[in-house]
Amino acid sequence: GIQVEQSPPDLILQEGANSTLRCNFSDSVNNLQWFHQNPWGQLINLFYIPSGTKQNGRLSATTVATERYSLLYISSSQTTDSGVYFCAVKETSGSRLTFGEGTQLTVNP
Amino acid sequence: GAVVSQHPSWVICKSGTSVKIECRSLDFQATTMFWYRQFPKQSLMLMATSNEGSKATYEQGVEKDKFLINHASLTLSTLTVTSAHPEDSSFYICSARDLTGQGGVFGPGTRLLVL
Repeated sequence: GIQVEQSPPDLILQEGANSTLRCNFSDSVNNLQWFHQNPWGQLINLFYIPSGTKQNGRLSATTVATERYSLLYISSSQTTDSGVYFCAVKETSGSRLTFGEGTQLTVNP
Repeated sequence: GAVVSQHPSWVICKSGTSVKIECRSLDFQATTMFWYRQFPKQSLMLMATSNEGSKATYEQGVEKDKFLINHASLTLSTLTVTSAHPEDSSFYICSARDLTGQGGVFGPGTRLLVL
C-alpha cells in the first residue's frame, strides 16, 4: 500500500512564529487532506488539496502531485494551533484514506 | 456543512461485555462510512469500511466477529465491540464521505476504556 511520511514528528514554536509541515507520499493520489486533531481528539478538516495551492486565513497548503509531496504552512502561530496535524491520502488505484504519523505541534505563549 | 456525530463520546466497561458505538451523518446521507481506531500518540488506522445495505469490508488483521459493523440506514452505522478486553481500549473514530465526495467528514470520536 501507499506510504505516507510526515515531518517533523514534533515541533515547538513560540507564539507568532511561522512553520512548514511536510507530507511525502509514495504513489499517485487523487485525494489529499490535511487535518488538525485538537486536544479532545476531534479531527478538523483543514484542506482538501490533491494538487495546487489553497489558503485559508493564516493557513495555506501546496501539493505538488508530480513530486509526491504536500506542504502545510502556518503563519503567525497561536497557542490554539497546538495539536497534531495529519496528512491523509487516497491513492488513485484505491478507495481507502491512509494517514501519516502526524506532526505534534506545540505553540508556547 | 456536513456533520458526523458519534455516541457515546466515552464509555467504560468491564472486560467481557459488549459495547455499541453509533455513528450518524447529520443532514446528509452517507452510503459509505469508515471506522478508525487510534491508540495514544499514534495515527489513525482504518478498521473497516461500512456500506449501507451490505456487509462491511474489514482491513487485514481486524477480526470481523469481534468488531461487528451494521450500516442499516443511510445515516447510521454502528460498531459493536464484542467481549471487550483491556487491549481494545482505544479511541474509535468514524467518518463519512461528504456531499462533494471530495473528502472525509470525521465524527468526534468515542473513547473506550475496558477494565
